[in-house]
Amino acid sequence: SQQGEEDPQALSIQEGENATMNCSYKTSINNLQWYRQNSGRGLVHLILIRSNEREKHSGRLRVTLDTSKKSSSLLITASRAADTASYFCATAPDYTGANSKLTFGKGITLSVRP
Amino acid sequence: EAQVTQNPRYLITVTGKKLTVTCSQNMNHEYMSWYRQDPGLGLRQIYYSMNVEVTDKGDVPEGYKVSRKEKRNFPLILESPSPNQTSLYFCATWVSNEQFFGPGTRLTVL
Repeated sequence: SQQGEEDPQALSIQEGENATMNCSYKTSINNLQWYRQNSGRGLVHLILIRSNEREKHSGRLRVTLDTSKKSSSLLITASRAADTASYFCATAPDYTGANSKLTFGKGITLSVRP
Repeated sequence: EAQVTQNPRYLITVTGKKLTVTCSQNMNHEYMSWYRQDPGLGLRQIYYSMNVEVTDKGDVPEGYKVSRKEKRNFPLILESPSPNQTSLYFCATWVSNEQFFGPGTRLTVL
């Protein structure tokens, strides 16, 4: 069963704009991660936020986590054409060895127009 | 360079012909995993391994086998492939909550 559900499914923006992607999940988590996938390639880890954290930053990325709403958002600021990719959220459940059961959402397709 | 390699990258085969997709990592990670990616379904975990000789089923293990005889290798075996196993397959390792993915193997079963 899908744990993480991303929203929207597809997003098209102009270069320089900010892109906001959302992820909702159903059960308690140890951490939530965001990954990026360029077309047909392997996923690349972007950022991780733990269940006791509310916000994290990494370069142009900002991720928030609201455990009361079971949701997370990924913000990419000042987007570039090279940010065009699919983005996935993944949740690790709240028990020992959690990362062995990382569950991925279906992904968001982001297109950044030059 | 730290990496996860998969072979082959592309494979077209026929129903029932046994095949193995190899996965190798040079990071000395204990944890390894196999996923399949299908349109509209995202990534689903097939099997994972916590260490040598320790493997467990993921969410979609039917029709697949794995082995972990040494730390660096984690092959995925399809004893009798069927068309519904046509997919894009990824091997991954992880440490400290971050997963490292291989480049993928695109498998077509006719």
